[in-house]
Amino acid sequence: DAMVIQNPRYQVTQFGKPVTLSCSQTLNHNVMYWYQQKSSQAPKLLFHYYDKDFNNEADTPDNFQSRRPNTSFCFLDIRSPGLGDAAMYLCATSSRGRNEKLFFGSGTQLSVL
Amino acid sequence: AQSVTQLDSQVPVFEEAPVELRCNYSSSVSVYLFWYVQYPNQGLQLLLKYLSGSTLVKGINGFEAEFNKSQTSFHLRKPSVHISDTAEYFCAVTDNYGQNFVFGPGTRLSVLP
Repeated sequence: DAMVIQNPRYQVTQFGKPVTLSCSQTLNHNVMYWYQQKSSQAPKLLFHYYDKDFNNEADTPDNFQSRRPNTSFCFLDIRSPGLGDAAMYLCATSSRGRNEKLFFGSGTQLSVL
Repeated sequence: AQSVTQLDSQVPVFEEAPVELRCNYSSSVSVYLFWYVQYPNQGLQLLLKYLSGSTLVKGINGFEAEFNKSQTSFHLRKPSVHISDTAEYFCAVTDNYGQNFVFGPGTRLSVLP
């Protein structure tokens, strides 16, 4: 059974048109992450939530925002997608303090036309 | 801050041959180390992890890795690979707070018949 679910699996948007990617989890983990992964590159952390505390990476563009309305859901909003934002977006969760591992979703592949 | 180096971007190997994927890290604090595998168009899946204790760690699918503190390495090995092991492999490190996971650039393992 999927524990970290990302929807949609593939997302196509137009240049400059806002888009939202969603992530849900059934693990009740308190930490949720958003990673951006471009082709043949390592996942790059955009930001993470520890419960409701938002932690933005210093080099994450302002174009990227996130919301976490409750423990189970987290959203990635791209306000004005550019061609360079086309990538795989991975959601992950972890239980802070256990240092065990990240649980990843299958990702959303975003295309910008 | 931590960083991870994976010296080999691509490793081709014949089926049933042994393989070693190299990983080196740098950190000013104690770290936890992980290997993740990513199959095409999927999220990342944990292969194995080192938190403490025995420096030889066994994971899923017949993989193992050895933590070497003096050489700051965590190389991944498998004595006999299968076609199905063809994938991208990422080494990752986190500090003992378990929040800041840093991934290496990845090594693409191609198993040839």
